[in-house]
Amino acid sequence: ILNVEQSPQSLHVQEGDSTNFTCSFPSSNFYALHWYRWETAKSPEALFVMTLNGDEKKKGRISATLNTKEGYSYLYIKGSQPEDSATYLCAFGSGGGADGLTFGKGTHLIIQP
Amino acid sequence: DSGVTQTPKHLITATGQRVTLRCSPRSGDLSVYWYQQSLDQGLQFLIQYYNGEERAKGNILERFSAQQFPDLHSELNLSSLELGDSALYFCASSFTGGTEAFFGQGTRLTVV
Repeated sequence: ILNVEQSPQSLHVQEGDSTNFTCSFPSSNFYALHWYRWETAKSPEALFVMTLNGDEKKKGRISATLNTKEGYSYLYIKGSQPEDSATYLCAFGSGGGADGLTFGKGTHLIIQP
Repeated sequence: DSGVTQTPKHLITATGQRVTLRCSPRSGDLSVYWYQQSLDQGLQFLIQYYNGEERAKGNILERFSAQQFPDLHSELNLSSLELGDSALYFCASSFTGGTEAFFGQGTRLTVV
């Protein structure tokens, strides 16, 4: 059973502040690392898919980095806004791509006005 | 619209019964994943199919089974239902594990 850990489990951040959280995953048999945003009453939606060590991806105020050798990824949110409130999930893909994605339990982010 | 279709959206059934949840993946996606989200739990991986074959199994109970058909749609069968099986069941599809997964809207199962 693959272990994908996310921390912290939940996070309260003041509007306008920047924040980051972590996803840890096995460093062996790596294929891809995904980040998803899951808003209440909606389905998870992909933010980033990263495959190379050292990858950095950015979408607006949100960015992510990847370290496959040590098995972690960071998600950063700059200048948090209320609409950023959601659960952020990471998922680890292994086995050359055909194997399933293993999701972490998520970081629940609440932005306080 | 993610392109992944799940039916039904809601299902209410009694304990001991059997239900089938259906998922149609996005066109061209070969992998189908089933996840369960219970109260206070994140997404729990149940099972994955890749091009018709079972590829990975998570915490799926023996009372649950799934299959992927030649047209790549998938069904999750839940039998001898218990109150604790009440949850939101998501299906997702992707071309491979390296491409993003697209989630359906989920099936809300309530066992009474």
